[in-house]
Order: sequence, then C-alpha cells, then structure tokens
Amino acid sequence: DIQLTQSPSFLSASVGDRVTITCRASQGISSYLAWYQQKPGKAPKLLIYAASTLQSGVPSRFSGSGSGTEFTLTISSLQPEDFATYSCQHLHSYPYSFGQGTKLEIK
Amino acid sequence: QITLKESGPTLVKPTQSLTLTCTFSGSSLNASGVGVGWIRQPPGKALEWLALIYWDDEKRHSPSLKSRLTISKDTSKNQVVLTMTNMDPVDTATYYCARSFFLAGTGTGSTYYFDYWGQGTLVTVSS
Repeated sequence: DIQLTQSPSFLSASVGDRVTITCRASQGISSYLAWYQQKPGKAPKLLIYAASTLQSGVPSRFSGSGSGTEFTLTISSLQPEDFATYSCQHLHSYPYSFGQGTKLEIK
Repeated sequence: QITLKESGPTLVKPTQSLTLTCTFSGSSLNASGVGVGWIRQPPGKALEWLALIYWDDEKRHSPSLKSRLTISKDTSKNQVVLTMTNMDPVDTATYYCARSFFLAGTGTGSTYYFDYWGQGTLVTVSS
C-alpha cells in the first residue's frame, strides 16, 4: 500500500502570507494526487486534482505541483477563509489513501 | 445540482453491524464513469478510504477492512449501501460518501476523483 506523509502537520501563518504544504508518497504515483480543504464539522472539498489542475470554482491563489513522489500545495496569499485542514490523497492504485492532514492556523 | 447524503444509525453496539445509505441526486449511478465511495474520519484523525463502487458494478475495498465491508448499489433508488460488520469502538468516526468522477488533468493524472461529498454522518460505537 502507498503511504502519504504530509509536512508540516501544523502551520501557523498570517493573512497575506504565502504557504506551502508538502505531500510525499512512499512510491511513485505519477500525478494521481488530489488536495482537499476541510473546515471543522464539514466535508472535505476538492481543491486540486491530477496534482496541479484547479477544480472548478477554486480561487487561483491555490496551486499544486509535483509528480512521482513529491507534491506541494501552495496558497499564494492567505485569506481568512483559508484557515482549515488540508489533506492529500493518491488515486494511483487501490487502496486509495490520504495524508494525515496539515492544520493551517492563524498566527 | 449534485448532492449526496448519508443516513443510518448514529449509535451502534460493539459486535453489531452498521449499515449506511448514501442517497445520490443530480447524477445517475447508471451513468458511465460514475462511482460512489465511502470514506471515514475518526474524531481528530485523518481521512480513511473504505470502499468504492462504479456504474458498472465494479467494487473495490480497503484490504485492511475487506472482510468486514460490503458495498452495493440500488440504481432504481440512486443509492449506495455500505455494510460494516463486527463494529468496534475504534470504528467510531464520521462516515462520508462521495462521488467518484473522471476528471482530466492538464497533463497526466486523469482518473476518477472524489469531487462531491456528502455532509457526513457521525457513528459512535459504544455499549
């Protein structure tokens, strides 16, 4: 099974900051990676799929990159509504798995 | 508008079975390329993929839970049902269903992604 490890697990930042979250896969997954945003008590929301393609309706300050085993999610200028938990998921082979999540908090 | 909604018991006793239903609207389970998956999240913990069923009745399960899971669909009702046997307190979690749909990336990585999610239902396992 493929394991995903996110770093950092917690991130404190301010409105307007640029932040980057990393997701590393235990083996190559090409570009079969999604990023989700989740707010407390809510379902995950798909932000990015195929490692770098922005889901419809997602603000352009979000971007994704990477392939193989290392991926990044970048928020170019944090907005108040961006403080949430972000998780990556691979869809390379079954079982699909998720990273442990990165909680983005207000500094 | 595509919506999914989970329903089922909020409390089950240890060793009992759990049956959850995902009711899907705005899209058809018969439509080529459509699937519905189940994902759970214990309180304060990470998401865990459980199972997936496609329009053509192909099914996939988490190997670690495969012996306990059954997924099925009723296309006439546009519902997907997940059954998990021998429930344990560690199975306490919010259970989500989500649509799996083919999304084409700009480069590689085109495959089925979970693009719409239900609100989730919290299931507590306790005697």
